[in-house]
Amino acid sequence: AQTIHQWPVAEIKAVGSPLSLGCTIKGKSSPNLYWYWQATGGTLQQLFYSITVGQVESVVQLNLSASRPKDDQFILSTEKLLLSHSGFYLCAWSLQWGTEVFFGKGTRLTVV
Amino acid sequence: AQSVTQPDARVTVSEGASLQLRCKYSYSGTPYLFWYVQYPRQGLQLLLKYYSGDPVVQGVNGFEAEFSKSNSSFHLRKASVHWSDSAVYFCVLSAEGSNAKLTFGKGTKLSVKS
Repeated sequence: AQTIHQWPVAEIKAVGSPLSLGCTIKGKSSPNLYWYWQATGGTLQQLFYSITVGQVESVVQLNLSASRPKDDQFILSTEKLLLSHSGFYLCAWSLQWGTEVFFGKGTRLTVV
Repeated sequence: AQSVTQPDARVTVSEGASLQLRCKYSYSGTPYLFWYVQYPRQGLQLLLKYYSGDPVVQGVNGFEAEFSKSNSSFHLRKASVHWSDSAVYFCVLSAEGSNAKLTFGKGTKLSVKS
């Protein structure tokens, strides 16, 4: 069975500090990977997607970056956090367009 | 460009009552549509999906949805709600293309009164 694990579960970080969120997918080779962001009480926005190792496409500019160093790993990061980065970050995967997208349990980020 | 509209931000129903959550989409290509549910402080779980064929699709926990191309709609229904159905429901459209970009509606928060 496929599993998706996100870390950390929650973070409280200071404005201007760096951030790294991670996601690992087990049980599927070469999945499409995605990062989504949900502002408190808001809908979800796709931030990045990756269809293969080393290739990441940005969908929305939020002063964040993403990398896919391994087939099963997706990293979201920034060197300098803003208050506007607060929210709920979800990693997700799918096999291809039109198929179900599976979501991790998310990371709740509070920037203070 | 595609969009998804969920006109009701909040819906409150009594336990045992029927439910309909509305969803309208705008997309020029072939719509692949989903309903996801988000329980408090959790990720999203798929309720059901529509690709083609029978416009009424069955999902988990007694949910079903009906696709209407003429109305550009994909409404979610349940005959009898339970208090555990209280959650936020998202209507989602998957666009064509390799990135499988999902467009989410703003969500409808369902509260079930016992």
